[in-house]
Order: sequence, then C-alpha cells, then structure tokens
Amino acid sequence: SQELEQSPQSLIVQEGKNLTINCTSSKTLYGLYWYKQKYGEGLIFLMMLQKGGEEKSHEKITAKLDEKKQQSSLHITASQPSHAGIYLCGADRRNSGTYKYIFGTGTRLKVLA
Amino acid sequence: SQTIHQWPATLVQPVGSPLSLECTVEGTSNPNLYWYRQAAGRGLQLLFYSVGIGQISSEVPQNLSASRPQDRQFILSSKKLLLSDSGFYLCAWSVIHLNSPLHFGNGTRLTVT
Repeated sequence: SQELEQSPQSLIVQEGKNLTINCTSSKTLYGLYWYKQKYGEGLIFLMMLQKGGEEKSHEKITAKLDEKKQQSSLHITASQPSHAGIYLCGADRRNSGTYKYIFGTGTRLKVLA
Repeated sequence: SQTIHQWPATLVQPVGSPLSLECTVEGTSNPNLYWYRQAAGRGLQLLFYSVGIGQISSEVPQNLSASRPQDRQFILSSKKLLLSDSGFYLCAWSVIHLNSPLHFGNGTRLTVT
C-alpha cells in the first residue's frame, strides 16, 4: 500500500469553483511538499509545510498541515484553467542522515472553462 | 541560481538495446541526486539516490543501474532494455540540510518497442 495516500484521484471542476485535495500519511510527516505537474513535464515545487497546524498560501492556493502532522490539504480558490494538471504531495523520510523522498499517486485536476 | 538539465527529452529504443540518460545540476555543490520513474497512471517510484560521488543507493531491484562520476552528474543506464522499462524518468536534486524540497528536471519519456 502507498505510504502517502491522495484523494481524490481525479477531479473535474467548473472554472471559478473551489476545490480541495487531501494527502494522508501512515507516519508522522517531518516535511510535506506539494508539487504541480503538467503532462509530460517535470514537477514544479509549490509549497513546503513542516509544523503541525501550519498553513501557507501562494496566490489562490492554500496548503495546510494538521496538528498531528499526518494529513495535509491543498485548497484552490476560484479555480482557473491554468490550475489544471497533476498535484502531488511528497514527504522526506529521514534515514541515517540521508533523505529519501516519497510521493503520493497524484490528483489529476481538470478545470472546465 | 540552480538549474537541472536532463536529456534526452524523448527516446524510443528497441528491446535489448542499451540505455543512458544523463542529468546535470548547476549552481550548487554536493547535492543529493535522485532518479524516479513515473508510469502512466501511477505515482513516482524512487529508483536510485546518491549523496556523493560514487555513492549509489538502489531502491528497487531491476534492470537499471545508476552512476555518479562527478559531483553534479547523475547517469541512469541499462545494458539491455525490457518492455517494462518504458515510462517517464525524472531526475531531481536537493541540498543536504533538513527540510529542503526536491527540484526536478523536465523528464525523459522512454518508449521501449
């Protein structure tokens, strides 16, 4: 099973609507990252969350990390076609001083104009 | 500023042929380097990571190998490609210190025929 579970797997919304993507971890998150990927391209780093209860915003995208640091959400307000793509959450897993990163399976977002 | 270059962007290779994908990072020293594979409809699978020259950690036993001949160069290779090696390959880097995000290249789309 996936260590990071994302939901929903896909989402189609009308332009202007709000939406939320969730990311749940089976272990405590020491660093949670959100990325956006357009088809056939690399991942673009959006935001990083570290502390329980932390919330960050960039333009119309807000990400939160819960107090227990096992769940994060990404919220888009008044969605636009430019928000379309695949959103992935990622986490680093500390292991003997090196840092392996793992990722959720992604949420594919389509915004209808 | 730091940049990451990955090439080629697309590659079509016959089964049994060799593979060499190259990734270089500019603007930083002693980065952690990573190779991921993204299969259609699936998440990112960590293949290899490296914390220094000549130091390679393999995550999944497979037909592929990785090498780091220079500080900012990471190479993904195979002696004989399999059909199952098809996918989207992503190189990424991070700095060593805690809670730093991964930065990705634009990826290589590999199709094995």
